[in-house]
Amino acid sequence: AQKITQTQPGMFVQEKEAVTLDCTYDTSDPSYGLFWYKQPSSGEMIFLIYQGSYDQQNATEGRYSLNFQKARKSANLVISASQLGDSAMYFCAMREGGEYGNKLVFGAGTILRVKS
Amino acid sequence: DSGVTQTPKHLITATGQRVTLRCSPRSGDLSVYWYQQSLDQGLQFLIQYYNGEERAKGNILERFSAQQFPDLHSELNLSSLELGDSALYFCASSGQGELFFGEGSRLTVL
Repeated sequence: AQKITQTQPGMFVQEKEAVTLDCTYDTSDPSYGLFWYKQPSSGEMIFLIYQGSYDQQNATEGRYSLNFQKARKSANLVISASQLGDSAMYFCAMREGGEYGNKLVFGAGTILRVKS
Repeated sequence: DSGVTQTPKHLITATGQRVTLRCSPRSGDLSVYWYQQSLDQGLQFLIQYYNGEERAKGNILERFSAQQFPDLHSELNLSSLELGDSALYFCASSGQGELFFGEGSRLTVL
C-alpha cells in the first residue's frame, strides 16, 4: 500500500506568491516523523523541514512551514514568498518507528516551477 | 554540504559488468542508507546499515549487495548490470533525526 501520496505531479507559482504542496500519509504507528526534501536539477537532496507525530505545533523553517493535520493524515508544505531558486522537485517522506530504524519512505514528488 | 561523501559521482559501464559505489557518512553518524532513484520508480529504499550490521532491507535485488566497514564507510556493489539499473544512487546517513544525503552516484549502463 502506498504510504506517502503526493497527488500533484507538477505545480506552477508566480514569484513572490505562496504555494502549498500536498502530502498525505498512511500509517498505523502512533510514532512517526514527516519530512520534506528539495531536489534541484543538480540532483542533491536537501532537507527542508521535519514534523514529529507528537509535535503540538506546526513546524516552520524560514519560508517553509508544514501544515500538519493529524486526523486527516496530511502534511502539506507551504512555501511563502516563492523565489526562482525554489524551482525544484519536492519530496514528502515518512519515518515510522519500530524495528526498522530511521529509513524514510518517499512519495513520488511534485515538480514546482516558479514563474517570474 | 551535507557531510556525506559519495564516489564516484558519475559512472558509465556496460551490461553484465560490476561496479562498486562508495559512501562516507557524516562524522559521528552510525547509520548508512542506500537509495535508488530512477525515472519510473522514484526514490526506492535499498538497504540500511547501523554500526556495521544490516538493519533493514528494502527493494534490493539479489545482484546487489552492500556492507558497512569498521570505519563506518559503506559500499554498494552492483553486479551483472542491466540497462534498467541505470539510476542515481544515493547514500544517506543519520544520527537520530533526518537523513543527510550525499550528492549521489549517477550510474549509466549502456
